[in-house]
Amino acid sequence: AQKVTQAQTEISVVEKEDVTLDCVYETRDTTYYLFWYKQPPSGELVFLIRRNSFDEQNEISGRYSWNFQKSTSSFNFTITASQVVDSAVYFCALSGYGQNFVFGPGTRLSVLP
Amino acid sequence: DGGITQSPKYLFRKEGQNVTLSCEQNLNHDAMYWYRQDPGQGLRLIYYSQIVNDFQKGDIAEGYSVSREKKESFPLTVTSAQKNPTAFYLCASSIRSGSTDTQYFGPGTRLTVL
Repeated sequence: AQKVTQAQTEISVVEKEDVTLDCVYETRDTTYYLFWYKQPPSGELVFLIRRNSFDEQNEISGRYSWNFQKSTSSFNFTITASQVVDSAVYFCALSGYGQNFVFGPGTRLSVLP
Repeated sequence: DGGITQSPKYLFRKEGQNVTLSCEQNLNHDAMYWYRQDPGQGLRLIYYSQIVNDFQKGDIAEGYSVSREKKESFPLTVTSAQKNPTAFYLCASSIRSGSTDTQYFGPGTRLTVL
């Protein structure tokens, strides 16, 4: 069975601090995909990144970066110099090839001014 | 602009009533999905459709029904058989079926049973 754990239920930081959101997954598939989504207060899930299991390169996009480590089954997300607009719930998701998504419970990030 | 629309944004229903949530996409995506989100929880899959006139149950299909008569539309009916229907409902779509293409989401419908 596939499972996604986001152990941090809520995180609060002060603006300009760096913050890392943890995601640990379980799967027996050799081919799988990992995703991060952002859910702002408006409710819509916004796609951030998709990574397949064969690509362990870290990725950076502006203030966002992702660290994928198969050895620890983790796909962590770091926001550098956080801003108030980063306040949201962040979801990590896993999908085996041709399978439905499994979402983690989400981490609520509050960035205080 | 291409995207996914859901209506209404807020919906109130009396116990014992059926209610239908709308989901429309103009992204020309084959696959569509319905999820339920409860406070403090992740998303759970209700139903999904990989092609017109075909759909499959997800993890929590009891008390829900769907139809897929058009590629663009995937309405969800919450029936009176659903024991605890108050939740936030999200519709999503992806380009292809049978793959792990990225899912894109609509703005959601918040259903409250009075």
